[in-house]
Amino acid sequence: NAGVTQTPKFQVLKTGQSMTLQCAQDMNHNSMYWYRQDPGMGLRLIYYSASEGTTDKGEVPNGYNVSRLNKREFSLRLESAAPSQTSVYFCASARDTETQYFGPGTRLLVL
Amino acid sequence: GNSVTQMEGPVTLSEEAFLTINCTYTATGYPSLFWYVQYPGEGLQLLLKATKADDKGSNKGFEATYRKETTSFHLEKGSVQVSDSAVYFCALNYGGATNKLIFGTGTLLAVQP
Repeated sequence: NAGVTQTPKFQVLKTGQSMTLQCAQDMNHNSMYWYRQDPGMGLRLIYYSASEGTTDKGEVPNGYNVSRLNKREFSLRLESAAPSQTSVYFCASARDTETQYFGPGTRLLVL
Repeated sequence: GNSVTQMEGPVTLSEEAFLTINCTYTATGYPSLFWYVQYPGEGLQLLLKATKADDKGSNKGFEATYRKETTSFHLEKGSVQVSDSAVYFCALNYGGATNKLIFGTGTLLAVQP
């Protein structure tokens, strides 16, 4: 089992460009999450999906959109990237036991 | 509202020293509490958890007890190793069945041989 995988590992964007971060899990989990990690701020929830076909906002959703394509995949889209979105992005998934399993992260730099 | 406060790092210890990383929380109700660990260049992984007051979570020699009276969940280990060097995050589940987590800011632990 690969667990939670994320692509790409690293990306550089110019202000105003768009991109989609991909996440997939092979553990048959219902819930999936997107977080951003910034120095001195821990992880903050951007969006989550409790099941296929449903999504909801977390603490910091502005500037992002998500798609729960199927049970395995949960993508995060930046329509018009801003320097404030420079961060490390983590995807996670969970079944019903509260334990979240995290991917390795995507490091994004917006110039 | 809900929040998690943990001690700032870095914490630098010699191998075999005793470790405490403090974590306190503010929450409505009785959320589940977690410690996650992040090794360099990796994602977070669950270290231990406790789901109700007075529960003790333990794993890999680490322990933490859910103290409702002091709203705390301090992480302890009796004898740290160089391989324990990582960032440790305290977190609480504020979303009930949706499992939404609030994380503390993380504490960097550096263990020297």
